[in-house]
Amino acid sequence: QALLQESGPGLVKPSETLSLTCTVSGAFIRSGGFYWGWIRQHPGKGLEWIGYVYYTGSTEYNPSLKSRTTISVDTSKNQFSLSLRSATAADTAVYYCARVFYQSSGSYFKRIWFGPWGQGTLVTVPS
Amino acid sequence: QSVLTQPPSVSAAPGQKVTISCSGGTSNIVHNFVSWYQQLPGTAPRLLIYDNDKRPSGIPDRFSGSKSGASATLAITGLQTGDEADYYCGAWDSSLSAGVFGGGTKLTVL
Repeated sequence: QALLQESGPGLVKPSETLSLTCTVSGAFIRSGGFYWGWIRQHPGKGLEWIGYVYYTGSTEYNPSLKSRTTISVDTSKNQFSLSLRSATAADTAVYYCARVFYQSSGSYFKRIWFGPWGQGTLVTVPS
Repeated sequence: QSVLTQPPSVSAAPGQKVTISCSGGTSNIVHNFVSWYQQLPGTAPRLLIYDNDKRPSGIPDRFSGSKSGASATLAITGLQTGDEADYYCGAWDSSLSAGVFGGGTKLTVL
């Protein structure tokens, strides 16, 4: 069973880059079949998908965050990372990494689900 | 405002059945598959249902999912106090080209 663990600074200054890493154990990112993604949850709010990466480096991002987001993968370390540039107080949230199953065969019947998840890490950007 | 619409809260007594709805449209629920997540207080979400109605290993059969048209439903039978949590639905939105979630439903077991 895959286990995921987020790591990174809990405090980021406004206008700087929010950077997090997710370390995967119990599974190999390079095995394929799954994507590896990031989801965030603003305090007291719902879930927001940020994006995902495949072991090949192929990525997909939420259009609302795409201009500021980079998700990368390091298969040698079995890790993937999130960079969110020009952080503001609106980026204060708990950030989760998760294994992602995504399948698209044409315009319809797209499948996406997230599991397992990391425990999450709170990142605060002061206003 | 979430793309998928869920009731903010539901409640039921221990041992009873509760259903949680998730409403969307043609760009998400109608044409794509739905998943459900349980978030116990202070913990990360956990996958409960994927592909509309499939349970991952380890999820009790008290939890079930269904979909009809633009709506999906999570049903929980034999409610336990340990089921008190926030529940989220999720799907791919083909118009947004993004994964989307409902706003979450807080389940209270009275």
